[in-house]
Amino acid sequence: QVQLQESGPGLVEPSETLSLTCTVSGGSIKSFSYSWIRQPPGKGLEWIGNFSFSENTNYTPSLKSRVTMLVDTSKNQFSLKVTSVTPADTAVYYCARDLGGNWFDSWGQGILVTVSS
Amino acid sequence: QSVLTQPPSVSAAPGQKVTISCSGSSSNVGNNYVSWYQQLPGAAPKVLIYDNNNRPSGIPDRFSGSKSGTSATLGITGLQTGDEGDYYCGTWDTSLSAWVFGGGTKLTVL
Repeated sequence: QVQLQESGPGLVEPSETLSLTCTVSGGSIKSFSYSWIRQPPGKGLEWIGNFSFSENTNYTPSLKSRVTMLVDTSKNQFSLKVTSVTPADTAVYYCARDLGGNWFDSWGQGILVTVSS
Repeated sequence: QSVLTQPPSVSAAPGQKVTISCSGSSSNVGNNYVSWYQQLPGAAPKVLIYDNNNRPSGIPDRFSGSKSGTSATLGITGLQTGDEGDYYCGTWDTSLSAWVFGGGTKLTVL
């Protein structure tokens, strides 16, 4: 049973860079695609982007200029960086395993990131 | 404004049935697989339906999915108080080259 766990700072100052890591356990990270998804407080889900080892990395158009996703296969981890954050980037951030681009079968528990000075 | 349109809320009594709609276009629902997610209060989303109408292992057959044209529907029968939460549809949008979610539907079991 694969498990995903997000980690990173819970508080980021405006204009700084948000950095999160997702650790995958119970399986090799190389076998699947993975996504980052966020949820502002009291609002719906917003897909941020995904990567796979066989296809290109994709980012949602509204965030594409500020987002980077990287992978560290030696640690079975992948990361998310969002630059120039504002309070609108305050959200619970989830990492999820993505099966063929068709559905998300496993999710992390989520991590709340607040953008505030 | 979400690319996929869901009703903001639905409600029904325990034991009854409810349906939740998800309306899109030919660039998303019409030509790609739809999945449905349940988010109980304070929890991460969990998949209920994938590839339009398939249930992952462990999801009871009270939950069902269907798709016709550019609309998809989630059905829940035998409603329980534990089903209260938010439900989201999602699919790939070929024009945006991005995954899109519906705005979510809050289910209340009266």
